[in-house]
Amino acid sequence: DAGVTQSPTHLIKTRGQHVTLRCSPISGHKSVSWYQQVLGQGPQFIFQYYEKEERGRGNFPDRFSARQFPNYSSELNVNALLLGDSALYLCASSSRSRGDEQYFGPGTRLTVT
Amino acid sequence: GNSVTQMEGPVTLSEEAFLTINCTYTATGYPSLFWYVQYPGEGLQLLLKATKADDKGSNKGFEATYRKETTSFHLEKGSVQVSDSAVYFCALSDTGRRALTFGSGTRLQVQP
Repeated sequence: DAGVTQSPTHLIKTRGQHVTLRCSPISGHKSVSWYQQVLGQGPQFIFQYYEKEERGRGNFPDRFSARQFPNYSSELNVNALLLGDSALYLCASSSRSRGDEQYFGPGTRLTVT
Repeated sequence: GNSVTQMEGPVTLSEEAFLTINCTYTATGYPSLFWYVQYPGEGLQLLLKATKADDKGSNKGFEATYRKETTSFHLEKGSVQVSDSAVYFCALSDTGRRALTFGSGTRLQVQP
């Protein structure tokens, strides 16, 4: 079975631009979470969605938004990019029966110049 | 709020040495505890977990025991291999299972 997939793999943007990152969960998983991992640090929680509804939000500014689609895939949007948004963005999915186990995709490496 | 503290790395060991990576946590309620591993250029892989006090999680020779009295979840392996070289993250999930809180990671380097 395919794991969590993310696209694109790498992305280079300029300050002030907008970016959209995409994630497809493991088949059968209805929950998707987004994390930001700055180089040399642990991932920081951004959002969690379950059945298209936001279930949790981390301490990130309103420039960050997300949504989940009927097929449970998800998008993370970041507006007005700052240099500090440069990071690896990780998507994770989980099933309802084992909701505490999150399975991560390979991530999208975003570089803001 | 929730927090996880890990020992700083890098940890450098020779092949077949014993490994311990310390992890302590602060949390309200009864969190589940996890170890994730990140190989170079890859995402995070779930290594093991424990969901209640005194539970022992184990996988691929790695073990960790949920110690509520010391709020710890130390990772151990009896004999490391070069292929174990990676960054290891300790994490906890909140009672509502809505977010993982990670430590800062510990880089392990195993030399032949």
